[in-house]
Amino acid sequence: QKEVEQDPGPLSVPEGAIVSLNCTYSNSAFQYFMWYRQYSRKGPELLMYTYSSGNKEDGRFTAQVDKSSKYISLFIRDSQPSDSATYLCAMTHNAGNMLTFGGGTRLMVKP
Amino acid sequence: EPEVTQTPSHQVTQMGQEVILRCVPISNHLYFYWYRQILGQKVEFLVSFYNNEISEKSEIFDDQFSVERPDGSNFTLKIRSTKLEDSAMYFCASSDSSGGTDTQYFGPGTRLTVL
Repeated sequence: QKEVEQDPGPLSVPEGAIVSLNCTYSNSAFQYFMWYRQYSRKGPELLMYTYSSGNKEDGRFTAQVDKSSKYISLFIRDSQPSDSATYLCAMTHNAGNMLTFGGGTRLMVKP
Repeated sequence: EPEVTQTPSHQVTQMGQEVILRCVPISNHLYFYWYRQILGQKVEFLVSFYNNEISEKSEIFDDQFSVERPDGSNFTLKIRSTKLEDSAMYFCASSDSSGGTDTQYFGPGTRLTVL
């Protein structure tokens, strides 16, 4: 079983739709969870960072962590064509430690 | 806004040659990392560096790889004798990681092509 699993997509939605992106993980030692956005041939750009179970909101983005189910989500409201990118989940055991990434979900938002 | 920078953006080398990839982390950050991403694959951890020594490394980071912080601003990754399978995007990242947080900020990457 892979440590972090993420549906590769592509996920195609119309502009204005609510997008739900998800990752599951197997290692209960993961404590810190991040979502990155990556445009083609660019570096990952940090979007959201969460530590505890529950929801965290930042503008159009909401990150959700359910440690009991080992499941994290990123919701994007009012999606825009500029949101078209690959979304990577990443997690780590402790601050200062290596990140383990999911494979990324490619999102396409059509005008 | 402070950012991680990397040079060069693209490096082409012959198999067996040595390459050095350079990074300038965010200035007040204490932890430094190298990751790589082979085309179409996951971002993979290579090594982390704190307090002038390696704190963690993956199986990928074998004797052909080394890291160095030669001065107060640069952080380098050296590959001694490149192989075809070293062709990938190499990302440098840095984090503050004080107070129990861990937000790693990534540079734009160096695309390494080994011929």
